[in-house]
Amino acid sequence: DAGVIQSPRHEVTEMGQEVTLRCKPISGHNSLFWYRQTMMRGLELLIYFNNNVPIDDSGMPEDRFSAKMPNASFSTLKIQPSEPRDSAVYFCASSPAQGTTGYTFGSGTRLTVV
Amino acid sequence: AQSVTQPDIHITVSEGASLELRCNYSYGATPYLFWYVQSPGQGLQLLLKYFSGDTLVQGIKGFEAEFKRSQSSFNLRKPSVHWSDAAEYFCAVGANQAGTALIFGKGTTLSVSS
Repeated sequence: DAGVIQSPRHEVTEMGQEVTLRCKPISGHNSLFWYRQTMMRGLELLIYFNNNVPIDDSGMPEDRFSAKMPNASFSTLKIQPSEPRDSAVYFCASSPAQGTTGYTFGSGTRLTVV
Repeated sequence: AQSVTQPDIHITVSEGASLELRCNYSYGATPYLFWYVQSPGQGLQLLLKYFSGDTLVQGIKGFEAEFKRSQSSFNLRKPSVHWSDAAEYFCAVGANQAGTALIFGKGTTLSVSS
């Protein structure tokens, strides 16, 4: 298995632009999680899905952030418009619906908004 | 409130010395506990996990952790540290139910001196 795949690995964009981050979970995993990592706040849960349905989006910081999971093999996190304070590493993780294996993380997308 | 506290932001250990990283949690239900490691520029890798049973759990890379319910702690240990263990370590807690979100501590950065 290729693991959780995130793209792009790095993104530099100008303030005000739309940014879309992508995630492909491990096949067969039913839960998908988006986290943001910064020096100040550590790892923050933004949103997670079970069976493609958003369960908890209370961590999404503002309406500028949105996430979708149109099918079991793909999810996007969109920021529109982006701001410099959105600069962070964004991680996607997936886990099976059954069992207790914990998360598998992707390698992350490092976003820089200038 | 549910939370994870890692009291040590940064620890330096000599190569070959023993290591203990502290983790305390606050969780209303029976917790699932995890330790993850993150190398620079990488995602998080699962080191070990505790769900039930023996309170001393073994993980990869020679790490172990002990669950102490009375102290709400889940400290990570290694008898002899290698230079390659230098990384950031995260403790996490979640519900004893698949498909729920984990709460992460702020992390402890481990440096290894020669």
